Amino acid sequence: EIVLTQSPGTLSLSPGERATLSCRASQNISSSYYLAWYQQKAGQAPSLLIYGASSRATGIPDRFSGSGSGTDFTLTISRLEPEDFAVYYCQQYGRSRWTFGQGTKVEIK
Amino acid sequence: EVQLLESGGGLVQPGGSLRLSCAASGFAFTNSAMSWVRQAPGKGLEWVSSISLVSDSTYYADSVKGRFTISRDNSKNTLYLRMDRLTADDTAIYYCAKGGGVKPHFDNWGRGTRVTVS
Repeated sequence: EIVLTQSPGTLSLSPGERATLSCRASQNISSSYYLAWYQQKAGQAPSLLIYGASSRATGIPDRFSGSGSGTDFTLTISRLEPEDFAVYYCQQYGRSRWTFGQGTKVEIK
Repeated sequence: EVQLLESGGGLVQPGGSLRLSCAASGFAFTNSAMSWVRQAPGKGLEWVSSISLVSDSTYYADSVKGRFTISRDNSKNTLYLRMDRLTADDTAIYYCAKGGGVKPHFDNWGRGTRVTVS
């Protein structure tokens, strides 16, 4: 089973700043299509942000971008808006299993 | 608009059973693989199970294999999760999610139903 490790655990930033979130896989992810990112706001269900490592889901603003391949993936929020403070999870698919990282909390500094 | 509405959660004793349901609308249910994802209190997301379009393939996390059964009724646009031999570790919010097949991501989620084993 592929284990996803996200870093940092918590990111303390101010609105307008850039956020860079990392997701590292324990093994090579066979296709970038199998890597996704989700946002979860407090008390809400998760929602899809990025799929295929770099494709934005419907309605996601372009300040969110994803990149990476193999074992190293990154979610970047170019300029944090107040509504972006939340927990972010990466997720991968492989060999009929889906796994999530443990999450990165982006909090207001 | 895609809507996924879970129901069936509640308080159950260890060793007991529950059946969760997820009523889907706003999309072609028969064209979508479906999944369950759970979140224990204060914890992260854990994939539980997925089912293919016509139920010919089902997949389970090791933590629930042999105890949980995923199924779907395409005539009713409804997804199910039968949970047996529940333990305290199964306490979580259970989310129904669209995806988990050809699309290996989950592009729509329900609001969840809470299961407490105590």
